[in-house]
Amino acid sequence: AQSVAQPEDQVNVAEGNPLTVKCTYSVSGNPYLFWYVQYPNRGLQFLLKYITGDNLVKGSYGFEAEFNKSQTSFHLKKPSALVSDSALYFCAVRDRRNQGGKLIFGQGTELSVKP
Amino acid sequence: DSGVTQTPKHLITATGQRVTLRCSPRSGDLSVYWYQQSLDQGLQFLIQYYNGEERAKGNILERFSAQQFPDLHSELNLSSLELGDSALYFCASSVGLAGDEQYFGPGTRLTVT
Repeated sequence: AQSVAQPEDQVNVAEGNPLTVKCTYSVSGNPYLFWYVQYPNRGLQFLLKYITGDNLVKGSYGFEAEFNKSQTSFHLKKPSALVSDSALYFCAVRDRRNQGGKLIFGQGTELSVKP
Repeated sequence: DSGVTQTPKHLITATGQRVTLRCSPRSGDLSVYWYQQSLDQGLQFLIQYYNGEERAKGNILERFSAQQFPDLHSELNLSSLELGDSALYFCASSVGLAGDEQYFGPGTRLTVT
């Protein structure tokens, strides 16, 4: 069965420190991979995606993610965290074999950045 | 602002009732998706329409139905509502199908009492 795992419910980081939010997936073949962020009482905002090519993907607000096929991971990173980065982060995958655009989401990771 | 609009923002209704949630996609987007977000189930894909036709179906209950109209807006109909249907319902849109990122609306919070 297709699935996405975000092993940490919460990540705490000090402002200015690097952050990593982990994601692993179980999907056959080479899936499309996405990261979204959700602020309180808001919809999800697209951050970045991996389709093909360079394993390091750069996205919005200084975030980047590294695709690792052998480890089936797609970890989200940022070199220097801001307090305003505090939010709920979702990793999602889409099976490339499907014609539809169904996204399978992880359970989310709450990122807390303290001053 | 993603450009995806959803109405209403909040909906409170009783068990057994029927409600309709409305979504307008971003200008130019042909695909519309519906997702349900709840504390116990997380974010679950319900259904996708592309240019008026159903393209993918997820864990959508038989009591739920959706459609996409010629002007590309979409409606999600929820009937015989149960307490467990209380959730945030998101609509998202994308230009096409292959690898496109989806842009999410602000959601409709449904409370069934």
